[in-house]
Amino acid sequence: GNSVTQMEGPVTLSEEAFLTINCTYTATGYPSLFWYVQYPGEGLQLLLKATKADDKGSNKGFEATYRKETTSFHLEKGSVQVSDSAVYFCALDQSGGYQKVTFGTGTKLQVIP
Amino acid sequence: DTGVSQDPRHKITKRGQNVTFRCDPISEHNRLYWYRQTLGQGPEFLTYFQNEAQLEKSRLLSDRFSAERPKGSFSTLEIQRTEQGDSAMYLCASSLLATTGELFFGEGSRLTVL
Repeated sequence: GNSVTQMEGPVTLSEEAFLTINCTYTATGYPSLFWYVQYPGEGLQLLLKATKADDKGSNKGFEATYRKETTSFHLEKGSVQVSDSAVYFCALDQSGGYQKVTFGTGTKLQVIP
Repeated sequence: DTGVSQDPRHKITKRGQNVTFRCDPISEHNRLYWYRQTLGQGPEFLTYFQNEAQLEKSRLLSDRFSAERPKGSFSTLEIQRTEQGDSAMYLCASSLLATTGELFFGEGSRLTVL
């Protein structure tokens, strides 16, 4: 079956540090890949997505590139802010319009001033 | 606000009682999902609807769980004879048929079974 593995947290960084959160996946076919974010006290929301190999998703300074050869979709940001403190979930949606999204376990990011 | 809304936000119940959660999706969304999330884990798929039709149920959804979406609008998730292992956050999400994987989540309904 489909699965997503992401690095365990929590990750603690100082403001303006570089962020990488690793994510790898197992799936049949050609899934679409996503990063969702959950800010404290809020529901999950889509951060960025990539629908095919070599696509780069980006939003709010975050980026992730769909790497089919390594089955990875690592999240990066060049300079984190305190407001980026949240839990980040890597996810995949099996192709074919099925839309049953499978999530990783989440990585908590804490950014300190 | 036209986002996904869930009610109640918190429910504390005794083991053996029945509970029901309601989800109101974004009005034009034709797909509705229920997920369960426990502490330190990602959301786990329970079931989903396309309009009023329930198209799939996870093996996680025992016979004590039932979900409905009458008229393809709001949805309810009922848990009968609750057990302590049912304690979790129950998340509802909705989406448009054409937008792959772009789920819009509510804030969740937290269930505590004593």
